[in-house]
Amino acid sequence: AQTVTQSQPEMSVQEAETVTLSCTYDTSENNYYLFWYKQPPSRQMILVIRQEAYKQQNATENRFSVNFQKAAKSFSLKISDSQLGDTAMYFCAFTPSTDNYGQNFVFGPGTRLSVLP
Amino acid sequence: SAVISQKPSRDICQRGTSLTIQCQVDSQVTMMFWYRQQPGQSLTLIATANQGSEATYESGFVIDKFPISRPNLTFSTLTVSNMSPEDSSIYLCSVGEGFGANVLTFGAGSRLTVL
Repeated sequence: AQTVTQSQPEMSVQEAETVTLSCTYDTSENNYYLFWYKQPPSRQMILVIRQEAYKQQNATENRFSVNFQKAAKSFSLKISDSQLGDTAMYFCAFTPSTDNYGQNFVFGPGTRLSVLP
Repeated sequence: SAVISQKPSRDICQRGTSLTIQCQVDSQVTMMFWYRQQPGQSLTLIATANQGSEATYESGFVIDKFPISRPNLTFSTLTVSNMSPEDSSIYLCSVGEGFGANVLTFGAGSRLTVL
């Protein structure tokens, strides 16, 4: 069974600074996808970034980038130039590439990030 | 990506009553998923709603407590039956998208408080 672990229940960062959120996972699958989702106080789950395991290049979306270390089964999220709107719960998630309809997602426990003015 | 409309957005319910949450998608999808998020917790999959067949429930969730309907490829409902304070949670509807449906898109969630 797949598991996703986020060891930082809460973090804070000053506005405009950089912060890194950690995620580790365990799987016997060779091909899979990893995600970071953001859930602000509005409750809406928003996809931040996605990484395909067979791609060595780390995914980047504007101020968000990941450090994907497949051998270490590590998938951290770096947020640069933090903004007040980045305040949210961040969930790391995993799904095997054989998941054709979205039925095998596994979510981590979440990290609550507060961006301080 | 798909747009998912979920209602009610929030509700306060009395113990012992039932509430039905609706989920409408702006495109046809094969599977729809219902998640529960208890206060301060992560997401737990309740069931997968398949059009034309019974929903598939995860361990710990039963049809009598969480009956689900899926009358067509764009709509589903989740009922929380005989509610107790322990059912106070956010309930999220989601669908799989992308090549191989490798991305989950979510509705805005329904926050239920049971008194």
